Amino acid sequence: GENVEQHPSTLSVQEGDSAVIKCTYSDSASNYFPWYKQELGKRPQLIIDIRSNVGEKKDQRIAVTLNKTAKHFSLHITETQPEDSAVYFCAASSDQTGANNLFFGTGTRLTVIP
Amino acid sequence: NAGVTQTPKFQVLKTGQSMTLQCAQDMNHNSMYWYRQDPGMGLRLIYYSASEGTTDKGEVPNGYNVSRLNKREFSLRLESAAPSQTSVYFCASSEVGATNEKLFFGSGTQLSVL
Repeated sequence: GENVEQHPSTLSVQEGDSAVIKCTYSDSASNYFPWYKQELGKRPQLIIDIRSNVGEKKDQRIAVTLNKTAKHFSLHITETQPEDSAVYFCAASSDQTGANNLFFGTGTRLTVIP
Repeated sequence: NAGVTQTPKFQVLKTGQSMTLQCAQDMNHNSMYWYRQDPGMGLRLIYYSASEGTTDKGEVPNGYNVSRLNKREFSLRLESAAPSQTSVYFCASSEVGATNEKLFFGSGTQLSVL
């Protein structure tokens, strides 16, 4: 099965700085790579996703890049704000099972210091 | 729309007791999922149901059973709870007939097995 590794496990940045979280995956059949944000005590929520037919996607201060050859993808957050503090999970899946069978990374706890 | 609703929010069990976690969605989603979340291990899939009438094992199915009661409801049962099943459990759903789409999560159930 798929194995998703995520680094770092914790990340602290000053407000206004950028944050980068990196993930690798093992299954070359994986073609969908979402990122979920989980605030303390809350449910995970999708913030951005990318499919294997594109190399980069942006949504305001958030961007994701994908390198299919190297099997890694990254989340970039620019101009960080205190409300960006949360745990971020990357995930990967293929559409071969007929369901959205996501394999998640172990999470990165991001702390933005005001 | 309430989205994904799961009950209970908190539960304490003694080893060997049984219980059922309930989940319902009102978004007409075909696929439903049960994940467990443990510190440092991210979200791991227990069981999923790609469509009404079907269920399949995920990464960590041992000790659990599921029932897709109808299109709206997907329950998770622990027949004989063990301390290793202490975790936060999330139900999720995804859109009709689609793969590789956004997961909508419930608010979680914090389960402690003593």
